[in-house]
Amino acid sequence: RKEVEQDPGPFNVPEGATVAFNCTYSNSASQSFFWYRQDCRKEPKLLMSVYSSGNEDGRFTAQLNRASQYISLLIRDSKLSDSATYLCVVNMVAGTYKYIFGTGTRLKVLA
Amino acid sequence: DGGITQSPKYLFRKEGQNVTLSCEQNLNHDAMYWYRQDPGQGLRLIYYSQIVNDFQKGDIAEGYSVSREKKESFPLTVTSAQKNPTAFYLCASSLSGSTGELFFGEGSRLTVL
Repeated sequence: RKEVEQDPGPFNVPEGATVAFNCTYSNSASQSFFWYRQDCRKEPKLLMSVYSSGNEDGRFTAQLNRASQYISLLIRDSKLSDSATYLCVVNMVAGTYKYIFGTGTRLKVLA
Repeated sequence: DGGITQSPKYLFRKEGQNVTLSCEQNLNHDAMYWYRQDPGQGLRLIYYSQIVNDFQKGDIAEGYSVSREKKESFPLTVTSAQKNPTAFYLCASSLSGSTGELFFGEGSRLTVL
């Protein structure tokens, strides 16, 4: 089983739609969680950190479920500019610098 | 503006040649990392360094070497021993001792002909 797993997609959705991605992780001792956005042939950029209580940033909501070992990302009112690959990143153990990346979920928002 | 600078952005080399990718940061971060990304795959850790003059192998260190002589700089050498070096190479940094986010450079795309 992979340490961090994501559905590769692609998710093709119309503009204005709501879309959700999940990411599962294998190590129950994992400490911190992030969603990164990566555009084609570019570097990943932090979209949001994921906190235990869940957090929201505009149209984006991130949730953490420690019991089931997954994190989720919800995008409301999708825009064409949201088209990208979304990477789930988990820091396995505090202070060990071991960040594990999922393979990413591709999102295409269609006009 | 603080950030991470990687160079060159694109690099073409013949098989059997060593190449060195540069990574410089002015974020005053102690920890620096090198990742490799292949199409359809997640980022894989090559090497990381927590402090100057110290570094550790990641998951795919074979065929690569690094140095950390200055806090700001963490160059990666792709040696001729690396069997499949064509890839997108990403340098990153983070605050030491924290579980905070990684900051990335723009990447270096290496093609071996």
